[in-house]
Amino acid sequence: QQQVKQSPQSLIVQKGGISIINCAYENTAFDYFPWYQQFPGKGPALLIAIRPDVSEKKEGRFTISFNKSAKQFSLHIMDSQPGDSATYFCAASIGGTSYGKLTFGQGTILTVHP
Amino acid sequence: DGGITQSPKYLFRKEGQNVTLSCEQNLNHDAMYWYRQDPGQGLRLIYYSQIVNDFQKGDIAEGYSVSREKKESFPLTVTSAQKNPTAFYLCASTNTGAGYEQYFGPGTRLTVT
Repeated sequence: QQQVKQSPQSLIVQKGGISIINCAYENTAFDYFPWYQQFPGKGPALLIAIRPDVSEKKEGRFTISFNKSAKQFSLHIMDSQPGDSATYFCAASIGGTSYGKLTFGQGTILTVHP
Repeated sequence: DGGITQSPKYLFRKEGQNVTLSCEQNLNHDAMYWYRQDPGQGLRLIYYSQIVNDFQKGDIAEGYSVSREKKESFPLTVTSAQKNPTAFYLCASTNTGAGYEQYFGPGTRLTVT
């Protein structure tokens, strides 16, 4: 019930392409869904987050799509760049904020080839 | 500069020894968290504290202990009871209310041999 399942485990994209990472959850009490970006040897940093009252949120080249009925959400990176190469984690929490427990997906290693 | 400091960046210990990882934040955040990261398993919550002198077990608390005597500090002790302590440990903090996010420190890589 508390799991967040993330796929794919790794992704290779050419520069300029679209990177898509998917997450699915079971617990319908989750109401806050952030995405984190992590570079090797560093801590994760918040990329973008969404609450279930909207189906899509866009910030620059990054877009979250949210499907409440399917209990799925995804990250789309448009015009992918080599500098986007990193590990991406989806997460979910209850209470509309990250103040409580964040449950993380397993992570996706993104490689963008020049 | 405001932020989260974790020290040291790399830590080596012999099996059977307890080791304490430091986490300090000057963001005036109420809540602090410890996560463990292993390849292919994402981040797993060890302990968290939402107020001074109080903390709760996360999903993988066995073999770990924490204290929260000051708002800005949340040290994690990896005890000899932790069966597989080699990992990357991340500390995070946040405040209450919508709009506040969990900010992560740079992490400590612990190697136990």
